Amino acid sequence: DGGITQSPKYLFRKEGQNVTLSCEQNLNHDAMYWYRQDPGQGLRLIYYSQIVNDFQKGDIAEGYSVSREKKESFPLTVTSAQKNPTAFYLCASTGGQESSYEQYFGPGTRLTVT
Amino acid sequence: GDSVTQMEGPVTLSEEAFLTINCTYTATGYPSLFWYVQYPGEGLQLLLKATKADDKGSNKGFEATYRKETTSFHLEKGSVQVSDSAVYFCALRRGGTSYGKLTFGQGTILTVHP
Repeated sequence: DGGITQSPKYLFRKEGQNVTLSCEQNLNHDAMYWYRQDPGQGLRLIYYSQIVNDFQKGDIAEGYSVSREKKESFPLTVTSAQKNPTAFYLCASTGGQESSYEQYFGPGTRLTVT
Repeated sequence: GDSVTQMEGPVTLSEEAFLTINCTYTATGYPSLFWYVQYPGEGLQLLLKATKADDKGSNKGFEATYRKETTSFHLEKGSVQVSDSAVYFCALRRGGTSYGKLTFGQGTILTVHP
């Protein structure tokens, strides 16, 4: 079955450490996205990538970094510069016309930094 | 900039009650509109969508009509079930951008009691 996988589901880190969240898709989608979800605030866009080796900042990119070396993969690094990193992180992808550009979401990773 | 405003929750209903979750938007041009649903601990799933004025999206008994004159996309269901308990997000994608990012509302928590 095609879909988006995010691992791990729960992640715990100490303050001051960088941490990388994985996102892999086998939907052959060109565009991929990272969102952050906090209670009562909906989803906010961190970074997005429309093609391999290219990505753009979203609304809250500070303290985060990404790479897009392969079409299937779009890892997100939460750096020690991110002031409030504890949140639920969601990865999404969008395909071409056959999917009507619908965004498909992964199951999410809950990051807790103490 | 673009924005989406949803009615504040949480919303608590008894089984078989009628559901309305209000959603209004601000955007330039002709955005596409979406409702996503998130079950506890999971990612988002597309519930329904509408891509132009007066379109009605429908799925699993839920409906929403794209009203350009009132810039609204209210979600309705005639008879809710306990299994409909989830968080519902209204979102828009600016028109003319196939891979464009989504702008989300803050989400509305729905709890349905037997």
